[in-house]
Amino acid sequence: GAGVSQTPSNKVTEKGKYVELRCDPISGHTALYWYRQSLGQGPEFLIYFQGTGAADDSGLPNDRFFAVRPEGSVSTLKIQRTERGDSAVYLCASSSTSGSSYNEQFFGPGTRLTVL
Amino acid sequence: AQKVTQAQTEISVVEKEDVTLDCVYETRDTTYYLFWYKQPPSGELVFLIRRNSFDEQNEISGRYSWNFQKSTSSFNFTITASQVVDSAVYFCALLVGAGSYQLTFGKGTKLSVIP
Repeated sequence: GAGVSQTPSNKVTEKGKYVELRCDPISGHTALYWYRQSLGQGPEFLIYFQGTGAADDSGLPNDRFFAVRPEGSVSTLKIQRTERGDSAVYLCASSSTSGSSYNEQFFGPGTRLTVL
Repeated sequence: AQKVTQAQTEISVVEKEDVTLDCVYETRDTTYYLFWYKQPPSGELVFLIRRNSFDEQNEISGRYSWNFQKSTSSFNFTITASQVVDSAVYFCALLVGAGSYQLTFGKGTKLSVIP
């Protein structure tokens, strides 16, 4: 079946602009996660959704970052007033929350965000 | 707080050599899960394995094997008879608690397999 998909694959924007990054999880996965990966580092957790609600947003760095998942499937990560330090690869993952593959997170290809 | 340490930043081996990637974790929780992911040059993280803290059995999958030792808080990954396609960055990750979903990753080990 189809894996996690993310669009766009690359996004270049100017400092101060607003961006939206989209994630389409594996069909049937109720859990969805956003991570951020800076060059040479491991991914860092941003936010976790169970269904439509954000169950854990403790990783969001500040209030410029916001994410939604209105219908419990596709999610959008929104970044306001972008800064150069926001440049990174934004990864989305999804997982089931029951069964033998419980909490195995499957990742999408990421969106590379560059803020000029 | 939890932490994952991958002390090896980069490793180079010649094709067909065996190689072990080290992972040391820290947590005070008794319930946790350990993971390995592969990130090839294309960038997509590929899930390799999950182990829970109550199962210390080692696991083998083809040329891959994992050694989980709670006594040393380690979850090492060995590739036998390495191939060029194994070249990638490998991440060890920790998930703590029965209800948690937040993965904590190490910084990764870049493996280069030279033909």
